[in-house]
Amino acid sequence: DAMVIQNPRYQVTQFGKPVTLSCSQTLNHNVMYWYQQKSSQAPKLLFHYYDKDFNNEADTPDNFQSRRPNTSFCFLDIRSPGLGDAAMYLCATSRDRMGLISEQFFGPGTRLTVL
Amino acid sequence: ELKVEQNPLFLSMQEGKNYTIYCNYSTTSDRLYWYRQDPGKSLESLFVLLSNGAVKQEGRLMASLDTKARLSTLHITAAVHDLSATYFCAVVYNTDKLIFGTGTRLQVFP
Repeated sequence: DAMVIQNPRYQVTQFGKPVTLSCSQTLNHNVMYWYQQKSSQAPKLLFHYYDKDFNNEADTPDNFQSRRPNTSFCFLDIRSPGLGDAAMYLCATSRDRMGLISEQFFGPGTRLTVL
Repeated sequence: ELKVEQNPLFLSMQEGKNYTIYCNYSTTSDRLYWYRQDPGKSLESLFVLLSNGAVKQEGRLMASLDTKARLSTLHITAAVHDLSATYFCAVVYNTDKLIFGTGTRLQVFP
């Protein structure tokens, strides 16, 4: 089945130790998104790629970076995780831009714990 | 900046009862999505509403969209325990992103 896969599902890191979260998709979608969702809050968009075009949200901290080496994969790098970065990180894809009757498909998420 | 608000934020309801969740948004958008999220899980798409007056139903849930009022509703009919979850509406903004509402945590008890 075509899907959005995130690895790992659970990640524990130490304060200040870099961590990378992975997302892959078999849908061949053009757009990939990364969201951060803290406990009892709504998902918050960090950035997205439209093909290779990177779009950063204005309030995304510099501590968060992303790479998309090919259509199928997208990575979220947190250079120096702080306690406030503990959250669920959701990856999503869409065939095209949202204004073109395109729906987002979400992966299962990676729960990040920072010790 | 688009703001999306839901109310209520928390809803505790008895099985068999009906209730409505409201989603208001602040600027023009003609596409709205409803998602369900179980604790510790990802988002599950429920409805995609693409035009003014759109109404969709699935089981005990019915969603509608009024783009002129910038309002969507999610109506629950004869609630059952399995509907307990958090429900988010989300609105398309600037053609390339979703802005999520604050979420409504629904708890259905016997």
